[in-house]
Amino acid sequence: EVVLTQSPGTLSLSPGQRVTLSCRASQSVNNNYLAWYQQNPGQAPRLLIYEASTRATGIPDRFSGSGSGTDFTLTISRLEPEDFAVYYCQQYGWSPQSFGPGTKLEIK
Amino acid sequence: LQLQESGPGLAKPSETLSLTCTVSGGSISHSDYYWGWIRQSPGKRLEWIGSSYYRGFTYYNPSLESRVTISVDTSKNQISLKLTSVTAADTAVYHCARIVGDSESYFDSWGQGTLVTVSS
Repeated sequence: EVVLTQSPGTLSLSPGQRVTLSCRASQSVNNNYLAWYQQNPGQAPRLLIYEASTRATGIPDRFSGSGSGTDFTLTISRLEPEDFAVYYCQQYGWSPQSFGPGTKLEIK
Repeated sequence: LQLQESGPGLAKPSETLSLTCTVSGGSISHSDYYWGWIRQSPGKRLEWIGSSYYRGFTYYNPSLESRVTISVDTSKNQISLKLTSVTAADTAVYHCARIVGDSESYFDSWGQGTLVTVSS
């Protein structure tokens, strides 16, 4: 199974700041099949990015994804109050698909 | 599109956990989508349980395959999950979700999730 590592575990930031989250895979992800999700407490995960860099429908352009192979990033260009949540990456290039442990963005 | 999980919130060890996901605002018979279950145990990462296509094809995570059955009822627009011989390790929030294009792919719509606790 492909193991995803996300760093850091928690980030304390202020609204308006730019942030880059990291997701690293234990082996190269086929076709860059890497997705990012946002989850707020008690809510369902929300798809942000798929195929490493394609924004999902309705996702603001302050969210962007990049990377290939084993190293991927999610960048939020300017944090809004509603962006403080947990972010998960998922690889679906290898079976079984798998998720990272998440990065929590908290308000400083 | 809305997905809503339902089922008992408590299961006893060694029993079978049974959940249903009702889909509204779209048909589970749409050829572009698969339907899956994912769980989130306390303090652990999300785990894909398995997926199903409306024609009945199923795909399971090897770690759970011996205990899982996923089925689709197109007449009711529902997907169901059965997990046998549960233990405390199966305590989790169980989500159903729509999968785009393949049995293992990204999930573009999720249910809120339902907490199942395994305890005697």
